Amino acid sequence: GAGVSQSPSNKVTEKGKDVELRCDPISGHTALYWYRQSLGQGLEFLIYFQGNSAPDKSGLPSDRFSAERTGGSVSTLTIQRTQQEDSAVYLCASSPGMNTEAFFGQGTRLTVV
Amino acid sequence: GENVEQHPSTLSVQEGDSAVIKCTYSDSASNYFPWYKQELGKRPQLIIDIRSNVGEKKDQRIAVTLNKTAKHFSLHITETQPEDSAVYFCAASRPPWEAAGNKLTFGGGTRVLVKP
Repeated sequence: GAGVSQSPSNKVTEKGKDVELRCDPISGHTALYWYRQSLGQGLEFLIYFQGNSAPDKSGLPSDRFSAERTGGSVSTLTIQRTQQEDSAVYLCASSPGMNTEAFFGQGTRLTVV
Repeated sequence: GENVEQHPSTLSVQEGDSAVIKCTYSDSASNYFPWYKQELGKRPQLIIDIRSNVGEKKDQRIAVTLNKTAKHFSLHITETQPEDSAVYFCAASRPPWEAAGNKLTFGGGTRVLVKP
């Protein structure tokens, strides 16, 4: 079956513009994670959705970042008024939600110029 | 919340030697500890995981050990090969029925270079 899909693969945007990054998790997976990875760096936690529970937003770096998950499936990460420091690879992952393997998407490489 | 520390940040080994990466975690309620491998330009992928009801797990050349008392776990790669060169991440999470359960917290990563 299909894995976790993210779109777009690459996004170049001008400083100050808003961007939306999309994640299609594996069907039936109740847990969905967003991480940010700067070049050569680790996986910075952003936000976590688990079923119908309130999302854990503790990793969002500022109020310019928000995310939603509609119908327990597709998730969108929105960055408003992008800054150059937002440039990174944004990775989405999903899991069945029972402390089992999380599957990562291929990521969206965001470049703010 | 959970905090996961990973050491070393970089590791260079000769082909055929062993590599060991260590992680410590802060949340005694954590019970699931996966390890992910990320090759250059690719997505992280699970290579092995361990749950708190066992102390060691092996899969061919890789093994993971867990010390719940000390709250640390380690990845061991034996007979290293050039294709083992990658960044390795450890992670920890609480049981799904606990508050903040199933949320994966990652260590900072270890860049492993296997020299031929």
